[in-house]
Amino acid sequence: QSVLTQPPSVSGAPGQRVTISCTGSSSNTGAGYDVHWYVQFPGTAPKLLIYRNNNRPSGVPDRFSGSKSGTSASLVITGLQTEDEADYYCQSYDRRLSGYVFGPGTRVILL
Amino acid sequence: EVHLVESGGGLVKPGGSLRLSCAASGVSISGYSLHWVRQAPGKGLDWVSSISASSTYIHYGDSVKGRFTISRDNAGNSLYLQMKSLRAEDTAVYYCATVGAELAPLDSWGRGTLVTVSS
Repeated sequence: QSVLTQPPSVSGAPGQRVTISCTGSSSNTGAGYDVHWYVQFPGTAPKLLIYRNNNRPSGVPDRFSGSKSGTSASLVITGLQTEDEADYYCQSYDRRLSGYVFGPGTRVILL
Repeated sequence: EVHLVESGGGLVKPGGSLRLSCAASGVSISGYSLHWVRQAPGKGLDWVSSISASSTYIHYGDSVKGRFTISRDNAGNSLYLQMKSLRAEDTAVYYCATVGAELAPLDSWGRGTLVTVSS
């Protein structure tokens, strides 16, 4: 059972906007620790997508954006494209566990 | 950018041991914290362990505490994970990853090495 919660899947048609939520607790996201997002395509390693809540690494399209408020964070994909079909994971730090924690992952499905 | 390559995975019986390695190239890892993250077949990401740049701070996930030992060799640009008392639930792809600053994201990942624990 993951410390952070995410919906198992979200879906949208090409061009639409989808939002993936990530909810933690007072020992991780609610304690002010940043949320990072990763994308993983089948058979490949995860790749950093958003760091420190709302920052994009070089090369990540601006249709990906992140935000955080309180215990929750969100990843938004605007203008959904077929190549965005993948698994998306949020990650933070938990002070009670003294370690990094991940959400269970959300699969983005194109309709 | 650092390039990471994991090795040492394979098939091991329950109760057995295995040592994973992660070789870095392109950049010296001496300034990075290093982590192991695993992913069971068809499952999500599971943080395993971390070690600070000078090996001063070491942390483990609850599921591996007391069984796994993380270490590093900055001169050799390598990271290790000694795994003992392996269980079926340790079956996973094990990734090594770098972190550039305290509580920073996992910014570079290797391709992973598969560990299968089965009789």
